[in-house]
Formats: sequence, C-alpha cells, structure tokens
Amino acid sequence: KQEVTQIPAALSVPEGENLVLNCSFTDSAIYNLQWFRQDPGKGLTSLLLIQSSQREQTSGRLNASLDKSSGRSTLYIAASQPGDSATYLCAVIASGGSYIPTFGRGTSLIVHP
Amino acid sequence: DGGITQSPKYLFRKEGQNVTLSCEQNLNHDAMYWYRQDPGQGLRLIYYSQIVNDFQKGDIAEGYSVSREKKESFPLTVTSAQKNPTAFYLCASSVDRGEQPQHFGDGTRLSIL
Repeated sequence: KQEVTQIPAALSVPEGENLVLNCSFTDSAIYNLQWFRQDPGKGLTSLLLIQSSQREQTSGRLNASLDKSSGRSTLYIAASQPGDSATYLCAVIASGGSYIPTFGRGTSLIVHP
Repeated sequence: DGGITQSPKYLFRKEGQNVTLSCEQNLNHDAMYWYRQDPGQGLRLIYYSQIVNDFQKGDIAEGYSVSREKKESFPLTVTSAQKNPTAFYLCASSVDRGEQPQHFGDGTRLSIL
C-alpha cells in the first residue's frame, strides 16, 4: 500500500528565504503527483501537477521536482512571503490501481515578516 | 464561476442522530469524492463516485453513506454508527477518476453536541 510522508511537519522562516518542502512515497509506480495548498479552515487548492513522465513543473515562484526512482518530490518556494503561510500537502496517484490519490500529512509553513 | 459548494460550513450532531452534508458542483465533472481530515492528519477517503448512480467505498466508509442521483450532487450522511464523527469533511471533484487535478470545496466542520 502506498504511503506518503512529508518532512518537515512544520516550518517557520523569515520572509525572503528560499524553501524546500519534501515528499516521499513508498511505491515508485506512480501515475502522477500533485502539490496542494490549504489555508486554515479551507479546502485544498492545486498548485502543481507532475505526470510520471515529467521531472519538474514550475508556476511562478514554485517549482516541483519528481524523482520516481528514489520515491521523492520536492516543492521549492523562492523568495518566500507572508502570504505563502499555509499547509502544503502532497498527493500521489499510483498507476495500475484505483487512481485514487494518497495524501501526506502536510507541512505547516509560517513565513513571518 | 465554476466550483464546489459545501454546506453547511459548521454542523453539530446529537447522540444517535444522522446528519447529511451537502456537496454540489457546477464543473460538469464525472468523479466526486468525500474525504475526512483530522488535526495533523492527511486526508482519508470515505467514498468516491466515478459516475451517476455509482459509488465505491474508500478507506474509512464505516458509519457513512452516500448517494449519487445527479451528476452535480454527492451528499454524505454521517450515521449514528459513526462513533467519532468530529472532523473536517472535504468534498472534491475531477473531470474523471485520476486524470485531472482535483477541485475542493471549502469543507464542513462537524462536531458532537
């Protein structure tokens, strides 16, 4: 059964820092991997989707990479801002199965001015 | 604007009572999902539906029931058999199962009186 782990569980940084959030998964046979953002008391917003054939995706200050062989993905946030404060979740869809995503527990990020 | 609407935002349940959480989408998506989120936990799948009049159990379906009579609606009933219902419930949809990023509603927070 696919397991998804996110490290660190929480992170507090000053504004302007470049950040790396980590996501690891146990089964490398994946269909795609997605990064979400969740604000307190809200639903999830999709940030980046990486298909299994891709190595990375970029959107603005966000860059997500995928290394299937090592079972890892990283979300890089450049020049962090207080508005980036949220919980970031990683979700993996395994190939050849039900195509239902498995979620990590998330990384809670606080960017202070 | 297209999206997912969950109601109510807050819900309280008495002992022995069934309660129903509403989820409506106007995205014309075939697949819909219900997740449960507990503090510090990832999302756990309760039920999902790939098409009208069809639905499948997720990892934690016991004590819950759903229906999918219309494409745009996927209500979740939390029955009295669910002994620990206090959680944040999220509804999501996708064009079809696993193919596109999932869109999420803003959630319903359920508590026991």
